Amino acid sequence: GAVVSQHPSRVICKSGTSVKIECRSLDFQATTMFWYRQFPKKSLMLMATSNEGSKATYEQGVEKDKFLINHASLTLSTLTVTSAHPEDSSFYICSARIGAREAFFGQGTRLTVV
Amino acid sequence: SQQGEEDPQALSIQEGENATMNCSYKTSINNLQWYRQNSGRGLVHLILIRSNEREKHSGRLRVTLDTSKKSSSLLITASRAADTASYFCATDQAGGGNKLTFGTGTQLKVEL
Repeated sequence: GAVVSQHPSRVICKSGTSVKIECRSLDFQATTMFWYRQFPKKSLMLMATSNEGSKATYEQGVEKDKFLINHASLTLSTLTVTSAHPEDSSFYICSARIGAREAFFGQGTRLTVV
Repeated sequence: SQQGEEDPQALSIQEGENATMNCSYKTSINNLQWYRQNSGRGLVHLILIRSNEREKHSGRLRVTLDTSKKSSSLLITASRAADTASYFCATDQAGGGNKLTFGTGTQLKVEL
């Protein structure tokens, strides 16, 4: 199946700093990628849809200026958590779909803000 | 927003037994998918069932879909300890722009 690679897998940062998470589709072109957030023992919450060459579409309640998404190429989308605070600590996961088929997920990034 | 509710939230069974998980959703769908997640990892796709299908099999997995009741079930037969994971249903909503909405998940523990 298709491969989606997410980096880093774990990151610890100080409160007030920014953190960038990368999501790459390794063997296919992804015009659309999705970013999710997951709390412990909870489901995935869709944050935004990343569109190649255009602005991301954010879900209701997700701060656009807080979670910056850039989809500069057909194989790379990035999520930047700006001015991170402890409440931003979470597990972030990206995914990509090929048409209406199944979604392929990255390995996830565990963000801890101290 | 959360589309699906799954039950049970947690399930503990012995190796060799069957595990059944249920998912209910609220809107019209193009398809419904089941995913597995090991702790702290990404999700792995298990099976996709289209809205015009009623049952699908893949190895030890059997999925049913009842669009009139807006529900689906995942059956894992002859479970193994390696099946221990969280299982999520995800709906591809009609007119939803290709995004998937995930259910609340079932934590399955298979004990030796």
